[in-house]
Amino acid sequence: AQSVSQHNHHVILSEAASLELGCNYSYGGTVNLFWYVQYPGQHLQLLLKYFSGDPLVKGIKGFEAEFIKSKFSFNLRKPSVQWSDTAEYFCAVNGRDTGRRALTFGSGTRLQVQP
Amino acid sequence: NAGVTQTPKFQVLKTGQSMTLQCAQDMNHEYMSWYRQDPGMGLRLIHYSVGAGITDQGEVPNGYNVSRSTTEDFPLRLLSAAPSQTSVYFCASSTRRNQPQHFGDGTRLSIL
Repeated sequence: AQSVSQHNHHVILSEAASLELGCNYSYGGTVNLFWYVQYPGQHLQLLLKYFSGDPLVKGIKGFEAEFIKSKFSFNLRKPSVQWSDTAEYFCAVNGRDTGRRALTFGSGTRLQVQP
Repeated sequence: NAGVTQTPKFQVLKTGQSMTLQCAQDMNHEYMSWYRQDPGMGLRLIHYSVGAGITDQGEVPNGYNVSRSTTEDFPLRLLSAAPSQTSVYFCASSTRRNQPQHFGDGTRLSIL
């Protein structure tokens, strides 16, 4: 079975600070990895995804994530956060040979950016 | 192009009542799924469907039924509502299982 751990449950940063949110997954095979963002009162939106190739993936709004296979990690980063980045962030994994199931999500990290 | 549409947006039920949460997509996506979102637990998969006429259980299927008679619609039925089913429910769709999913706006459900 696949699982995802997000160890930071609540992060508070000041504007312009750098961000790194941790994501570790548990799955023995090949995976597709995703980061989704949920702004207050809205639905989840895709930030970025990794399927194969360059392990450093760039997404929307200046976010990037690095897939480190040896560490089973897919951490999300942003060099300088803005107040508008206040949201909840979810890491998700999809094992390529898990039959017909869809994504497994982490428990989420709530990011609060203070002006 | 509306994407994924969920109705209703809010609902309050009494314990033991039944209801159906509606989900429709206009993107001709084969893959559809239902999640529930609870504080500190992320999103958990309830049921999913790989195409019309095909459904399967996710992580937390108990107390819920689904059907997929058309590509567009994927309703979620609560058979006998319980307070433990108080949650926010999201429907999602994608072209295939391993592709990024498009989410609806959610249904906030309270069971008293």
